[in-house]
This record gives sequence, structure tokens and C-alpha cells, in this order.
Amino acid sequence: AQKITQTQPGMFVQEKEAVTLDCTYDTSDQSYGLFWYKQPSSGEMIFLIYQGSYDEQNATEGRYSLNFQKARKSANLVISASQLGDSAMYFCAMRVPYNNNDMRFGAGTRLTVKP
Amino acid sequence: DAGITQSPRHKVTETGTPVTLRCHQTENHRYMYWYRQDPGHGLRLIHYSYGVKDTDKGEVSDGYSVSRSKTEDFLLTLESATSSQTSVYFCAITASGARTDTQYFGPGTRLTVL
Repeated sequence: AQKITQTQPGMFVQEKEAVTLDCTYDTSDQSYGLFWYKQPSSGEMIFLIYQGSYDEQNATEGRYSLNFQKARKSANLVISASQLGDSAMYFCAMRVPYNNNDMRFGAGTRLTVKP
Repeated sequence: DAGITQSPRHKVTETGTPVTLRCHQTENHRYMYWYRQDPGHGLRLIHYSYGVKDTDKGEVSDGYSVSRSKTEDFLLTLESATSSQTSVYFCAITASGARTDTQYFGPGTRLTVL
């Protein structure tokens, strides 16, 4: 069964510094996708970044990058130059494509950016 | 903006009453999903639909039913609400993204069962 683990319930980072949010996954499938979502205090779920299991390079989207280590089954989110608006819950998710796009989510990490 | 709306946005109900939540999308997406979000669990899939009248169970489907009679609407029904179904409910669709099909979420419905 697919499982996503986020071991950091809460993280603090100083404004303008970089922060890494951890995500490990477990699957026996060779083809899968990894996603990160942001949920600010307003409650909406915002898609941030995607990494495919066959992608050779780490995904980047602006200040977000995904540190993908396939052998370790980890997909950590790196946020560079943190801003106060980055304070939010962050969820890692995995999709196994041959199950109708079923997504499994981790429990989330609450990031607080300090001024 | 994936054109997803949910109604109601907030609801308080009593144990044993039926409740129906509505998800409406305007962009003709084939796949639609219902998730619940609870502290410590992230989001968990309740049911999903892969077309009109085509639905299937997710990870936590007990106590819930769904219907999809039109492409744009996906209904989630709690036949007899219980306090354990107090949660935030999110609807999602799958849409083509820049690199892959991606799930996009509605604004959520906060349901309280007293």
C-alpha cells in the first residue's frame, strides 16, 4: 500500500532563510508522481510543485524546489528566501497513476516564518 | 482557478440527520473527488468519480455515498451524520497541468455534527 510520511509536525524558519520540509514515501510501483500543496490559514489547497518518478532532474518552481532522492524514497520541499506569506501547512502527496489518479497525502507540516 | 465551487461552505447539523454536500465545476473535467481533512491525517479520499454515473470508493468511504448525474456536479451524502464525520470536506478535480495531470481543490466545506 502507498504511504506518505511527514515527520515534522511543525517547523520554524527566519524570514529570508531557506527551509527544507521532509517527505518520505513508500510504494512498490515504479511509476508514480509526487506533489506538494500549501494550505494557508484561509484553508484553500494550493498546488506548488510536481516530481515524476522518472524525472532525472529535480523539479523547480520559482522559490520552490523538490529534492528528489529516489533510492531513499524521499521528496523534500525546499523553500528558498522564506517570506512571511509562506507560513502555512504543507502537504506532500503521492499519486499512483494506474489507480484512477488516487492520491495519498501525508499528515502535513506547519511552517511558521518569523520576522 | 480550476472553476470549482462547493456548497454549503459551512454547515452545522445534528447527529442522525442526512446531509448533502455539493461540488460544482465549470470546465468539464472527467475526474472528481471528495476528500476529508482531519488533524494528523492530512487529506483522505472518500469517493471519486471517473464520469457520469461512474463512481468508486476511496480509503474512508464508510458512512458516505456519492452521485454524479451530470458532469459538472458531484454530490456527497451522509445518510445519517455522526460526530465522527465532523471534518472539513474538499472536492477536487484532475486537470492537465504544465507537466502532468494535477488535482486542484475547491474551497472546502466545514461540517460540524453535534
